[in-house]
Amino acid sequence: TQLLEQSPQFLSIQEGENLTVYCNSSSVFSSLQWYRQEPGEGPVLLVTVVTGGEVKKLKRLTFQFGDARKDSSLHITAAQPGDTGLYLCAGALRYGGSQGNLIFGKGTKLSVKP
Amino acid sequence: DTGVSQDPRHKITKRGQNVTFRCDPISEHNRLYWYRQTLGQGPEFLTYFQNEAQLEKSRLLSDRFSAERPKGSFSTLEIQRTEQGDSAMYLCASSPQMGVGSEAFFGQGTRLTVV
Repeated sequence: TQLLEQSPQFLSIQEGENLTVYCNSSSVFSSLQWYRQEPGEGPVLLVTVVTGGEVKKLKRLTFQFGDARKDSSLHITAAQPGDTGLYLCAGALRYGGSQGNLIFGKGTKLSVKP
Repeated sequence: DTGVSQDPRHKITKRGQNVTFRCDPISEHNRLYWYRQTLGQGPEFLTYFQNEAQLEKSRLLSDRFSAERPKGSFSTLEIQRTEQGDSAMYLCASSPQMGVGSEAFFGQGTRLTVV
């Protein structure tokens, strides 16, 4: 079973549209990170959220951490072709399991067409 | 460039051969992680080091895999008697601290192809 479920798995939209990507779990996380990865490259960190209910904005990207720290969302406003890539959420478990590593979801593959 | 550096970027090897990958973390980062990523999947944790101590290994890390970080700086990941199923992107990451909010910074990865 996947500890972090990301949805949708694939998303293909037109330039200018808005979109939301979700990252859900039944486990509580101390913190959650969002990464963006391009083909053949390593993931690049976008943001870290730590506090339940926290909202962070990075230009056209808005990240939210759920109140119970079990879920997160990434909203992109007016998507551009440069936003194309694989978006990964990763979390550090709050209880049990390993405290030493980040657990990743499978990712959402976003394609923004001009 | 002071980011995480991995070498080589690509490696093609014949089944049964041994391969070794190197990772140079960001200076002063005391945590170093190895992940494996296959097509269509997110990165899967393999192992991590706190300085030179290897603190955790995933069950994915069979006895053919070994990782070292002898001086608490760079790390190597060796795969012995490679199999086709070992073909994947091997990612290294480093982190400056442990605990809540610690963020991992990734290298560009080593793409291994076993033929």
